[in-house]
Amino acid sequence: GAGVSQSPSNKVTEKGKDVELRCDPISGHTALYWYRQSLGQGLEFLIYFQGNSAPDKSGLPSDRFSAERTGGSVSTLTIQRTQQEDSAVYLCASSKKGSGQGFIQAFFGQGTRLTVV
Amino acid sequence: RKEVEQDPGPFNVPEGATVAFNCTYSNSASQSFFWYRQDCRKEPKLLMSVYSSGNEDGRFTAQLNRASQYISLLIRDSKLSDSATYLCVVNGGGGSYIPTFGRGTSLIVHP
Repeated sequence: GAGVSQSPSNKVTEKGKDVELRCDPISGHTALYWYRQSLGQGLEFLIYFQGNSAPDKSGLPSDRFSAERTGGSVSTLTIQRTQQEDSAVYLCASSKKGSGQGFIQAFFGQGTRLTVV
Repeated sequence: RKEVEQDPGPFNVPEGATVAFNCTYSNSASQSFFWYRQDCRKEPKLLMSVYSSGNEDGRFTAQLNRASQYISLLIRDSKLSDSATYLCVVNGGGGSYIPTFGRGTSLIVHP
């Protein structure tokens, strides 16, 4: 499809288990972002990939969180030893790299709703 | 001080009303500004970019005041379908390409 695709759309996992969330960005978009949104809260930045550059991991809340982006396209966000406070909607977005303007509009996927029980 | 601040509302207005939202940002080096709309349990979607000269798209008008570091969104002739959360988005500035989102302002348009 033409949009950002995320899978799974919903994930229920037991506390302590590892989970992997997948994001397939729009073709040709070099920038990819992961955010999470807890119920009633704003978007919290997690990690940013730009082309082949080292990712900006400054938003990852703990070392249980990691992400990779293979071949400059698909990205996987991994959460190890999940905790109940990890429950949120995890949103992926992609964009063309900003030039001068700093940021060109981001297109979001529909998110993965993670529930840790 | 938060990087991007918005009044969470909710703003509860009748159809046909004019409503305005403001957003303030802390990084004076910020370069790009946007308003996104997020419907309940949906992903955010771009509503409009915000330019220094101000810009209008139908019933929506966006303004940027760099000196005071705030952005505004004006909605005229509100429709029921305008009910949503409106997110102010600012890029980090200083060469950053990471968009920072405000927590959003909730708008409820009633008959």
